[in-house]
Amino acid sequence: GENVEQHPSTLSVQEGDSAVIKCTYSDSASNYFPWYKQELGKRPQLIIDIRSNVGEKKDQRIAVTLNKTAKHFSLHITETQPEDSAVYFCAASSGNQFYFGTGTSLTVIP
Amino acid sequence: NAGVTQTPKFQVLKTGQSMTLQCAQDMNHEYMSWYRQDPGMGLRLIHYSVGAGITDQGEVPNGYNVSRSTTEDFPLRLLSAAPSQTSVYFCASTRPPDTQYFGPGTRLTVL
Repeated sequence: GENVEQHPSTLSVQEGDSAVIKCTYSDSASNYFPWYKQELGKRPQLIIDIRSNVGEKKDQRIAVTLNKTAKHFSLHITETQPEDSAVYFCAASSGNQFYFGTGTSLTVIP
Repeated sequence: NAGVTQTPKFQVLKTGQSMTLQCAQDMNHEYMSWYRQDPGMGLRLIHYSVGAGITDQGEVPNGYNVSRSTTEDFPLRLLSAAPSQTSVYFCASTRPPDTQYFGPGTRLTVL
């Protein structure tokens, strides 16, 4: 099956700085790569996603890049704010099954 | 439109007891799934369903059963609870082709 690795496991940044979280996947058949934000005690919520026919996607301060050849994708958050503090999960899917990374705990220091 | 709902929110079981975690969605989605979330391990797929009457195993299916008699409901049954099943359980519903919406979760403790 698919194996998704996510780094780093924890990340602290100063407010206003950028944060980057990286994921790699193993199955070349994976074609959908969502990112979720999970606040403490809450459900994961989709924040951005990218499909394999696209190299980059941006939504305001959040962007995701995909390198299919290297099998890695990254989440970029610019101008971080304290409310960005949460756990972020990447995932990969080729259809019916989703495989998740182990999460990155992001802390934005005011 | 309630989205994805789960009951109960919290549950404590003794080893060997059985129970059913309920999940329902009102978005008419065919695809539904169950995950467990453990510290440091992300979310792992237990079982999924691509429509009423059709279910399949995910990554960690042992000790769990599912059925899908209607499009709306997808219950997860623990047959004989074990401490290793202490976890937070999330149900998800997928808007085609692949956008997942998660329920609020059930926090289960097995003593």
